[in-house]
Amino acid sequence: DIQMTQSPSSLSASVGDRVTITCRASQTINSYLNWYQQKPGKAPKLLIYTASTLQSGVPSRFSGSGSGTDFTLTISSLQPEDFASYYCQQSYSTPRTFGQGTRVEIK
Amino acid sequence: EVQLVESGGGLVKPGGSLRLSCAASGFTFSSYSMNWVRQAPGKGLEWVSSITSTSTYIYYADSVKGRFTISRDNAKNSLFLQMNSLRAEDTAVYYCAREDIVVVEAATPRGEGFDYWGQGTLVTVSS
Repeated sequence: DIQMTQSPSSLSASVGDRVTITCRASQTINSYLNWYQQKPGKAPKLLIYTASTLQSGVPSRFSGSGSGTDFTLTISSLQPEDFASYYCQQSYSTPRTFGQGTRVEIK
Repeated sequence: EVQLVESGGGLVKPGGSLRLSCAASGFTFSSYSMNWVRQAPGKGLEWVSSITSTSTYIYYADSVKGRFTISRDNAKNSLFLQMNSLRAEDTAVYYCAREDIVVVEAATPRGEGFDYWGQGTLVTVSS
């Protein structure tokens, strides 16, 4: 099984900050890496798929990069509605493993 | 509008069974792979099972293999998860989620992420 390791597990940031979350796969997954946002009590929401493609309706301050085993989610200017948990997930093989999540909190 | 609505959750005793359903609407259900994902209280997301559009490929997490069965009825736009021999560690919110498969390589479906999710249904396993 492919293991997905996210870092950090949590971070504190202020509105307007640039935030970067990293995700590493235990073996190559080409560009089959997706990012989700989840707010408390809600279902996850797909933000970025295949490493860098922005899902329809997602603000352009979100961006993704990487290929192979190392990937990054960047929020260019953190907004109040961005305080949430973020998960990476590989869709290269099954099981469709998720990272352990990154909680973005208000500083 | 794409909608996924789960039902069938509830309280069940250890060793018991439940059948979850996911009713799909607003898209051509038979064209998409479908998944079940769960989230234990206060924990992260755990993929549980997937089934491709024509049920050609079916997969399970090791944690549920032999106890859970995924199925679908394309004529009724419905996805199911039969859960048997339930354990306390199966307690979670269960989500159904849609996935677009880009290509099948080496008998392995590659996807573009889970783009639509249901609201979730809570399964509690407790005596």
